[in-house]
Amino acid sequence: GAGVSQTPSNKVTEKGKYVELRCDPISGHTALYWYRQSLGQGPEFLIYFQGTGAADDSGLPNDRFFAVRPEGSVSTLKIQRTERGDSAVYLCASSLNRDYEQYFGPGTRLTVT
Amino acid sequence: SQQGEEDPQALSIQEGENATMNCSYKTSINNLQWYRQNSGRGLVHLILIRSNEREKHSGRLRVTLDTSKKSSSLLITASRAADTASYFCATDWTIGDGLTFGKGTHLIIQP
Repeated sequence: GAGVSQTPSNKVTEKGKYVELRCDPISGHTALYWYRQSLGQGPEFLIYFQGTGAADDSGLPNDRFFAVRPEGSVSTLKIQRTERGDSAVYLCASSLNRDYEQYFGPGTRLTVT
Repeated sequence: SQQGEEDPQALSIQEGENATMNCSYKTSINNLQWYRQNSGRGLVHLILIRSNEREKHSGRLRVTLDTSKKSSSLLITASRAADTASYFCATDWTIGDGLTFGKGTHLIIQP
């Protein structure tokens, strides 16, 4: 079946602009996660959705970051007033439920100039 | 902070040899997962081992878990050039959500 998909694959934006990153999870997966990965590091957890609700947003670095999953499927990560330090690969993962294997999408490489 | 720490940071072996990577962590976990990543994009799930399990196999992969030492190992037998990648362990804490990754082991298989 189809895996996790993310769009766009690459995004270049200017400092101060607003961006939206989209994640399509595997069909039937109730849990969805966002991570951020900087060069040479492992992914860092941002936020976890169980269904439509954000069950844990403790990894979001500040209030410029926000994510939604209105119908319990597709999720959008939103970043306001982007900064150069936001440049990274943003990864989305889904799993059947909490405590199961997480399957990752290819990521969106965000570059803030 | 990154709870999992892989060791070594880099490993280069000849094709056909076995590769062993280790992971240490700090707090109680529900499970531990190993992933492979090529070219800095898209992690591929390899194996999940739960806290009440000690060993799991999948093809040429063997994972062990020692919760008393808070450590895990990934063994790749009969390595191939295609196994060249970065390998990450990721822990699922008993408290909190989301996986915590280490910095990874960069494995190079010399043909």
